[in-house]
Amino acid sequence: QVQLQQSGAELVKPGSSVKISCKASGYTFTSYDMHWIKQQPGNGLEWIGWIYPGNGNTKYNQKFNGKATLTADKSSSTAYMQLSSLTSEDSAVYFCARGYDGTYYPYVMDAWGQGASVTVSS
Amino acid sequence: DIQMTQSPASLSASLEEIVTITCQASQDIGNWLAWYQQKPGKSPQLLIYDATSLADGVPSRFSGSRSGTQYSLKISRLQVEDIGSYYCQQAHSNPPTFGGGTKLELK
Repeated sequence: QVQLQQSGAELVKPGSSVKISCKASGYTFTSYDMHWIKQQPGNGLEWIGWIYPGNGNTKYNQKFNGKATLTADKSSSTAYMQLSSLTSEDSAVYFCARGYDGTYYPYVMDAWGQGASVTVSS
Repeated sequence: DIQMTQSPASLSASLEEIVTITCQASQDIGNWLAWYQQKPGKSPQLLIYDATSLADGVPSRFSGSRSGTQYSLKISRLQVEDIGSYYCQQAHSNPPTFGGGTKLELK
């Protein structure tokens, strides 16, 4: 079955960067988009962007341009998201999620990781 | 960005009751609408896509409908395992945006 295993909770200092991982199994990693979504308590869900591991193509929510960088390692079936210049506004749970169908439903996500908590605090 | 206005923000219902959650899109998104369920402490799970299509493994008591730019999620007979939060999401254009969520509790 499709599984997305994310890295653990992070406590990081303001101004620093953090890199979250998402290891995929149970499907062909290079054939599906990998999305990233931010969830803050009381703020609902925000889409950050996606990467297509097959060729490394990315698409971002303009709001996260310069904040998030998506990469993927085909050899280990792992997607990564790096967040830079962290502030308290970046404290959230971050999910990776597999795209359901890149051709017909590019923005539908049919399997989600368990989430990675990032806390930005001095 | 397309705004998705979801209502109600919270809902208390009894077992076996019919539950309806609605979502209003700020512009025409056709059938590009998905619904997700998020149980407490868990990640969201896809329930419905294409406004009315049930995702794999989702019980048939869940259904989706559309009337213009208003979308509805219906649970025909509420079960204990349905407790959690529900989110609509427009899948029409970048960036995909989510409704504010509906927290469903047992009465």
